[in-house]
Amino acid sequence: AQKVTQAQTEISVVEKEDVTLDCVYETRDTTYYLFWYKQPPSGELVFLIRRNSFDEQNEISGRYSWNFQKSTSSFNFTITASQVVDSAVYFCALSPRGTSGSRLTFGEGTQLTVNP
Amino acid sequence: SQTIHQWPATLVQPVGSPLSLECTVEGTSNPNLYWYRQAAGRGLQLLFYSIGIDQISSEVPQNLSASRPQDRQFILSSKKLLLSDSGFYLCAWTFGATEAFFGQGTRLTVV
Repeated sequence: AQKVTQAQTEISVVEKEDVTLDCVYETRDTTYYLFWYKQPPSGELVFLIRRNSFDEQNEISGRYSWNFQKSTSSFNFTITASQVVDSAVYFCALSPRGTSGSRLTFGEGTQLTVNP
Repeated sequence: SQTIHQWPATLVQPVGSPLSLECTVEGTSNPNLYWYRQAAGRGLQLLFYSIGIDQISSEVPQNLSASRPQDRQFILSSKKLLLSDSGFYLCAWTFGATEAFFGQGTRLTVV
């Protein structure tokens, strides 16, 4: 069985602060994908990143960066110099790697509020 | 480019009434299609997924069913809604085992 844990239910920061969203996962699969999605108040899920289990390189995209550590089963997400527009619920998700599609197991999400 | 359409955006239905939510994908062929549900303040749960026409897999036993009558059409149905069916329903598509792209969602309230 797969499980994704996002221990931080809510985080509140002041604009321009850096913030890290934690994600810990459990899986018996040797190969898998990890994802982060953003859910703004409108409700639609916006894809942010996909990471293969065999690729532990950290990734940076603008103000966003991701730290994948297989040894600790963690895939943390950092927003640098946060902005009010970053306010949303962020979900970490896990999917087995295979040919039967992308069946995502989601964490419970972290509500991020960035105050001006 | 690929787009996914889901409707209606909001729906209020009485207990015991039927349900039909529709999702269509444009700009791709033979996508994998998914229905997820998000209960209030919670994460998303996979309900059904389909890798082809009339090929439906159910992840969670429940009061709902899914059908895929055409390659790019995915329908979520219920014969009799329960209060516990309330939630935010999201349709998604992938091409193979890649990232999922989601529709705008349907907020269902059963009263």
